Amino acid sequence: GENVEQHPSTLSVQEGDSAVIKCTYSDSASNYFPWYKQELGKRPQLIIDIRSNVGEKKDQRIAVTLNKTAKHFSLHITETQPEDSAVYFCAASKGDYKLSFGAGTTVTVRA
Amino acid sequence: NAGVTQTPKFQVLKTGQSMTLQCAQDMNHNSMYWYRQDPGMGLRLIYYSASEGTTDKGEVPNGYNVSRLNKREFSLRLESAAPSQTSVYFCASSSRLAGPNEQFFGPGTRLTVL
Repeated sequence: GENVEQHPSTLSVQEGDSAVIKCTYSDSASNYFPWYKQELGKRPQLIIDIRSNVGEKKDQRIAVTLNKTAKHFSLHITETQPEDSAVYFCAASKGDYKLSFGAGTTVTVRA
Repeated sequence: NAGVTQTPKFQVLKTGQSMTLQCAQDMNHNSMYWYRQDPGMGLRLIYYSASEGTTDKGEVPNGYNVSRLNKREFSLRLESAAPSQTSVYFCASSSRLAGPNEQFFGPGTRLTVL
């Protein structure tokens, strides 16, 4: 099955700095790559996603890049704010509606 | 719209006891999923139902059974609970329009097996 690896497991950044989380996947047939944010004690919620026919997607302060050749994708958060503190999960899907998740990155934004 | 709802929110079981986790969605979604979340391991798929009337195993199905009762409801049953099943369980749903897309999660059930 699909194996998704996510790095780093923890990330501490100064408020206003950028944060980058990287994921790699094993199955070249994967074509959908969402990112979920989970605040403490809450449910995961989608923040951005990208499909394999696109190399980059941006939504305000967050962006995702995809390199299909290298089988990796990354989440970029610019101008970090305290409300960005959460656990972030990457995931990959082969189009069969199942998602394989990475282990998560705990992001802490220091004031 | 309530979205995805789950009951109960918390449960404590003794080893060997059984229970059913309930999930319902009111978004008219075709697909529903059960995940478990353990520290440092992300979300792992237990079972999923691509459409009403079908269910399939995910990554970690052992010790669980599911029922897709109708389009709205998808339940997860633990027949004989074990301490290794202590976890937070999330139900999710998604539509099937234009391929895979956003999965909407319920609030979770925190299960402890003693």
